[in-house]
Amino acid sequence: QKEVEQNSGPLSVPEGAIASLNCTYSDRVSQSFFWYRQYSGKSPELIMSIYSNGDKEDGRFTAQLNKASQYVSLLIRDSQPSDSATYLCAAPQGGNEKLTFGTGTRLTIIP
Amino acid sequence: GAGVSQSPSNKVTEKGKDVELRCDPISGHTALYWYRQSLGQGLEFLIYFQGNSAPDKSGLPSDRFSAERTGGSVSTLTIQRTQQEDSAVYLCASSLRDGYEQYFGPGTRLTVT
Repeated sequence: QKEVEQNSGPLSVPEGAIASLNCTYSDRVSQSFFWYRQYSGKSPELIMSIYSNGDKEDGRFTAQLNKASQYVSLLIRDSQPSDSATYLCAAPQGGNEKLTFGTGTRLTIIP
Repeated sequence: GAGVSQSPSNKVTEKGKDVELRCDPISGHTALYWYRQSLGQGLEFLIYFQGNSAPDKSGLPSDRFSAERTGGSVSTLTIQRTQQEDSAVYLCASSLRDGYEQYFGPGTRLTVT
């Protein structure tokens, strides 16, 4: 099992709809989780961090963390074409505080 | 404030040559990371530095790769005797400390001909 796993996609969502991105992780003791957005040809950009069970909202973005089920998700409301990118999930794994990144989910918002 | 900076932004080199890539982290960040990303692929961890601790070199793909961090700030990644498979974007990131949010630089695109 990969330490941090994401569906590679591509995930296509109509403009204005909710995009839902999921990530599972293997290390139960992980305490911090991060979502990055990476546009083609650019470096990853941090968009959300979450440390506690439940939801964390920031504008159109909501991160959801369920430590019992070991998954973290990112919801993007009112999706815009500018949200089209690859989204990377990251968490410390294996008792090491060094972050492990998932391979990313490619999201396409269809106008 | 200033973000992570990397230089050069692009580097084209001939197979067999040595290259040095530079990373200047965000001021005050004690942790610094190097990653490699090949076209269409995920992030490949290479090495990280945390304060004055010995670096974690577990991701370096061969002994041709080395890195140092001087004065707890600027870092240099050196690739000796470059090979075509070394062609990739090399990304540097820094964080306030290990396990916290990482902020990435713009990357150096390395092309080995």
